[in-house]
This record gives sequence, C-alpha cells and structure tokens, in this order.
Amino acid sequence: DTGVSQNPRHKITKRGQNVTFRCDPISEHNRLYWYRQTLGQGPEFLTYFQNEAQLEKSRLLSDRFSAERPKGSFSTLEIQRTEQGDSAMYLCASSGTGAYNEQFFGPGTRLTVL
Amino acid sequence: AQSVTQLDSHVSVSEGTPVLLRCNYSSSYSPSLFWYVQHPNKGLQLLLKYTSAATLVKGINGFEAEFKKSETSFHLTKPSAHMSDAAEYFCVVSSGTYKYIFGTGTRLKVLA
Repeated sequence: DTGVSQNPRHKITKRGQNVTFRCDPISEHNRLYWYRQTLGQGPEFLTYFQNEAQLEKSRLLSDRFSAERPKGSFSTLEIQRTEQGDSAMYLCASSGTGAYNEQFFGPGTRLTVL
Repeated sequence: AQSVTQLDSHVSVSEGTPVLLRCNYSSSYSPSLFWYVQHPNKGLQLLLKYTSAATLVKGINGFEAEFKKSETSFHLTKPSAHMSDAAEYFCVVSSGTYKYIFGTGTRLKVLA
C-alpha cells in the first residue's frame, strides 16, 4: 500500500503526558498537512510543510504543539502536557505541488486524554 | 476569508432513490472545491473536485456535483443511492494549493 500512513492509530494517555504521532506521506509528495477532527466536526487545519519547511501554522496550534519534518519525508506531531481538550482525531495528508493537486489523507491517529 | 456551509447535518434516503447533499461556499478568490467521503474507521477519500474547468464535475461511484457561481453552491448528487454510500460527506474549499477549509459534514443514511 503506497498511501499515507499514520502511527499509532490509537493513543490513550493521561493528562499532562507528552505524546508524539508520526505520518509517512506518499513518497513523491513534497507537501504535508496536519488536521484535527473532533466529534461531529469537519477536520480543521493545523499546519503545513513544503519539503522540510513549515510554511503555515494555525492559531489552533498552541505552544504545546510542535510539528517537524526533518528531512522532507515523514513528519511528527508532538503534544506536550496533554489536556482533555486535546482528545481528537489527528489527520495527516500529503499532496504534490502542482496547481489543484488534491490532498490524500491517512487513516488518522485517535487521541484520548484521560 | 473562506468558509463552507453544509446545509444538512443528516440526510436519509431509500436505496435506489436520488441523493442530494447541499454545500454553499464563500471565497474571496476563485475557489477550488472538493467533496470527500469518510467511512467509519477509514481515511477521507476524494469523490470529486472542481478547479475552474467544467462546472459539472463527475466523480467516483456515480457521484457528480455542479459548480454554480451565482448561487455560490456546489451540491453533490447521485441518481440512485446504494447501501454502501452510507457515510459522512465533507465539502471542502481551497483558494490556493493548500489549506483546506472543511464543512461540518453531512451524514448520509441509506434505508433498505
């Protein structure tokens, strides 16, 4: 399968702990995106990379959140000092750089903060 | 600023009858518009996209959508619903080549 993959698929943690998620995009895609989806809502944009450069961050991405894409391939999203409000599905997507290139989504990582 | 409004949070249809999922958008620029489907425990899958070419866009699984600039709408239709169409559908607007703005979704239920 050459689609977007995300690990882990599920994460349960206690409030105050740090968590890290990984996204592996489609290999030829140089754009990578993170979204957050809460129950009953559509996904909300968090941040976006072109190659290794992080080009935009949403105001939703507080200083407890950090995302990296060190070599322009896989990406990690870390949440420090998790809060119950961080419970959500975290989605990763990738695309090429051509005009109108659609984004291909991974299956998501579901985070539950107890 | 861009936004998307999906006018119905839930739609129920009988198998074999037409499907209509409504979407209105707001965009300062010439938008790209998409419809994605999300089945339980599966990733978002692209159904179709509008990128300023033909206003009637055909997608996968018999779905199509018509871009109407005067009405700022991009409604999704299918002539005959199938049980496998039951899922959550998202309308998406993008004014550039990144950063999707999603609607809140429409849950489609197909009755036997």
